[in-house]
Amino acid sequence: AQKITQTQPGMFVQEKEAVTLDCTYDTSDPSYGLFWYKQPSSGEMIFLIYQGSYDQQNATEGRYSLNFQKARKSANLVISASQLGDSAMYFCAMRGGGGSQGNLIFGKGTKLSVKP
Amino acid sequence: NAGVTQTPKFQVLKTGQSMTLQCAQDMNHNSMYWYRQDPGMGLRLIYYSASEGTTDKGEVPDGYNVSRLKKQNFLLGLESAAPSQTSVYFCASSQFRDRGDNEQFFGPGTRLTVL
Repeated sequence: AQKITQTQPGMFVQEKEAVTLDCTYDTSDPSYGLFWYKQPSSGEMIFLIYQGSYDQQNATEGRYSLNFQKARKSANLVISASQLGDSAMYFCAMRGGGGSQGNLIFGKGTKLSVKP
Repeated sequence: NAGVTQTPKFQVLKTGQSMTLQCAQDMNHNSMYWYRQDPGMGLRLIYYSASEGTTDKGEVPDGYNVSRLKKQNFLLGLESAAPSQTSVYFCASSQFRDRGDNEQFFGPGTRLTVL
């Protein structure tokens, strides 16, 4: 069975510092995708970054990068130069391979608090 | 483009009442999804639809029904609401491809309370 694990219920980071949010996954599919979403206190789900299982390079999107270690089945999100607006819940999610119809399995999330 | 819209935004029901949550997308996506979010649980898939006219159960389908009569609409029904269905409900859509980025676009959510 596919599973996503986020072991950090809450994290604190000082403004302008970098922070890493952990995500490990379990799947037997050779083809899968990993996503990170941000959920601010207003409640909407905001897509941040995607990593495909066959991608050779780690994904980057502005201040977000994904540290993809396939052998360790980890897909950690790195936020550089944290801003106060980064305070939110962050969810790691995985899409399975053929037959899953793109369904996402979500982790339980990490609450990030950025301190001024 | 409005993206994914959901109505209503808030709803209070009494136990045993029925209602339908509505979801619409204007991105011509083939796949649509309903999730529920409970505190400390992340998002869990209730039902999904790979194309117009087809639906399948997700992780937590009990107590719900869905319909996808039009490509742009995905309805979630509660036939007899129970307090355990108090949750925030999110609808999402994506253009599913077997490989590649098929990011799901989410609606703003519906906060449902069942008394």
